[in-house]
Amino acid sequence: GENVEQHPSTLSVQEGDSAVIKCTYSDSASNYFPWYKQELGKRPQLIIDIRSNVGEKKDQRIAVTLNKTAKHFSLHITETQPEDSAVYFCAALEGGNYQLIWGAGTKLIIKP
Amino acid sequence: KAGVTQTPRYLIKTRGQQVTLSCSPISGHRSVSWYQQTPGQGLQFLFEYFSETQRNKGNFPGRFSGRQFSNSRSEMNVSTLELGDSALYLCASSPGGSGGLEKLFFGSGTQLSVL
Repeated sequence: GENVEQHPSTLSVQEGDSAVIKCTYSDSASNYFPWYKQELGKRPQLIIDIRSNVGEKKDQRIAVTLNKTAKHFSLHITETQPEDSAVYFCAALEGGNYQLIWGAGTKLIIKP
Repeated sequence: KAGVTQTPRYLIKTRGQQVTLSCSPISGHRSVSWYQQTPGQGLQFLFEYFSETQRNKGNFPGRFSGRQFSNSRSEMNVSTLELGDSALYLCASSPGGSGGLEKLFFGSGTQLSVL
């Protein structure tokens, strides 16, 4: 079955700098890759997603890139702000299977 | 549009008891999935229902079960509670269909404490 590894587990960056979180997956049939943000004490919320037929997707300061050959996808946050501090989860949707496989999460800390 | 509603918000039970958690999805959403979240363990998939049918199940023991009603509301039941079942249980709804588990909307969760 699918396995998703997420790195790093904790990332500390200076406010205004960029942050990159990377996930690798094992099942080449996976075709949908979302990223969720969970602020402390709150519910996870979808921030961006990408399908396997697209290499990159942007939404203001966040972007996701997908490398199908290497089977990895990354979340990029530019010009980080204090409100970006949260735990970020990646996931992969198994092809033909109604199950999302989740990464273990990355705690992003924005230093003032 | 009302969001995903989970009840109760908090539960305290003792070992050996059973518990039922409820989830009301966003109106029009037909898929409901359940997750267990413990500190440092991320989100563990329990099961997913679509139109009253369980489409997939995660690697949890048979003590964890669920169902979905015709109005898409879902319940999750845990029998013979163990200390290790203490966790935040999240449900999420999505439109479902061929999109499966795309674009999930999560509820606030039920915090279960087993003493």
